[in-house]
Amino acid sequence: GALVYQYPRRTICKSGTSMRMECQAVGFQATSVAWYRQSPQKTFELIALSTVNSAIKYEQNFTQEKFPISHPNLSFSSMTVLNAYLEDRGLYLCGARPGAGAEQFFGPGTRLTVL
Amino acid sequence: QQNVQQSPESLIVPEGARTSLNCTFSDSASQYFWWYRQHSGKAPKALMSIFSNGEKEEGRFTIHLNKASLHFSLHIRDSQPSDSALYLCAGDTNAYKVIFGKGTHLHVLP
Repeated sequence: GALVYQYPRRTICKSGTSMRMECQAVGFQATSVAWYRQSPQKTFELIALSTVNSAIKYEQNFTQEKFPISHPNLSFSSMTVLNAYLEDRGLYLCGARPGAGAEQFFGPGTRLTVL
Repeated sequence: QQNVQQSPESLIVPEGARTSLNCTFSDSASQYFWWYRQHSGKAPKALMSIFSNGEKEEGRFTIHLNKASLHFSLHIRDSQPSDSALYLCAGDTNAYKVIFGKGTHLHVLP
């Protein structure tokens, strides 16, 4: 079956520091990987979408300078939260798809706490 | 930019009730429409999808899509406590990009 792993599951960092999270697709080729942030205030926000053979596209209010993403192959993606602050708290979810229009498989998320 | 509105934000129903969740899109650009379900502490998982106007039924779950009115709904027959979860509707805007609504928290009381 199709599975998506994310690690770490939880992380705590000091305000102003950075942390990296990873996403691994197993059982299928992730031709697209989307990173989302789920928070109590704004629930489900799309941060960026990475599609094979295309540039990574960031949504409004999210930038590459703040959330650099790497998608080097069809099974792995990573995202870093640079200079994390309180407003960056939340559950970061990775959604991977094997093709256009296909179901998006989610990992369990990385919960970021900023002190 | 596709915008997805869901209602209600929260819903409490007794076991056995028929539950209706609603979703409205801001434009007709989406080609694929999805309902995802997220149980507490778990990853969201696709529940059902539909690609054309009409209705689709799977067990106790039925989805309706009306592209003309930009309305998409999920109906649960004979709701069970195990149905308690966050329900998210979503639309594909350009084949890969999936935009989600804020979700409806459903609580089914035993």
